[in-house]
Amino acid sequence: QKEVEQDPGPLSVPEGAIVSLNCTYSNSAFQYFMWYRQYSRKGPELLMYTYSSGNKEDGRFTAQVDKSSKYISLFIRDSQPSDSATYLCAMSFKFGNEKLTFGTGTRLTIIP
Amino acid sequence: GAVVSQHPSRVICKSGTSVKIECRSLDFQATTMFWYRQFPKQSLMLMATSNEGSKATYEQGVEKDKFLINHASLTLSTLTVTSAHPEDSSFYICSAAGSYEQYFGPGTRLTVT
Repeated sequence: QKEVEQDPGPLSVPEGAIVSLNCTYSNSAFQYFMWYRQYSRKGPELLMYTYSSGNKEDGRFTAQVDKSSKYISLFIRDSQPSDSATYLCAMSFKFGNEKLTFGTGTRLTIIP
Repeated sequence: GAVVSQHPSRVICKSGTSVKIECRSLDFQATTMFWYRQFPKQSLMLMATSNEGSKATYEQGVEKDKFLINHASLTLSTLTVTSAHPEDSSFYICSAAGSYEQYFGPGTRLTVT
């Protein structure tokens, strides 16, 4: 069993729809949970991070963490074609100079 | 956000040769740098962690004599793939960490023919 499981997709939704992306994990010691966006042939860029359980909102993006279920989500509201990318969840025990454990990534396409 | 560069962005080399990839943090000092590889449609797999001035820590299954990592300064780390083989063809990504978050480089596409 992988430490972090993520549905690779691909996922296609019409512009304006709400997108839900999810990951599950097995190691309960993870404390920091991150979502990265990666465009084709580029490095990942950090979208949001959350510490422990709870919700965090940033513009059209909302991250949720449920540590009891070992389940994290990223919601994108009012999706735009520019949101089309691969979204990777990542986790670590500490924040900053700590190795990250990534999910497989979900390839998302927003259809105009 | 902070900028991390990688050079080259794309390289093609012949089997048996060595190739060096540079990772630079352009506007901050990175105490730790990480090297990942990513196969098509797969996740980033950590290869090694390097701290400035000390030997790199390799993940299980990564050959340290094949993937030489040097972290000579707080702004530069290099990955050298020695005696490259076609199965080493991959997308190599570095990240640099200061006090807070990690910043990823744009990646280097290595093709071994």
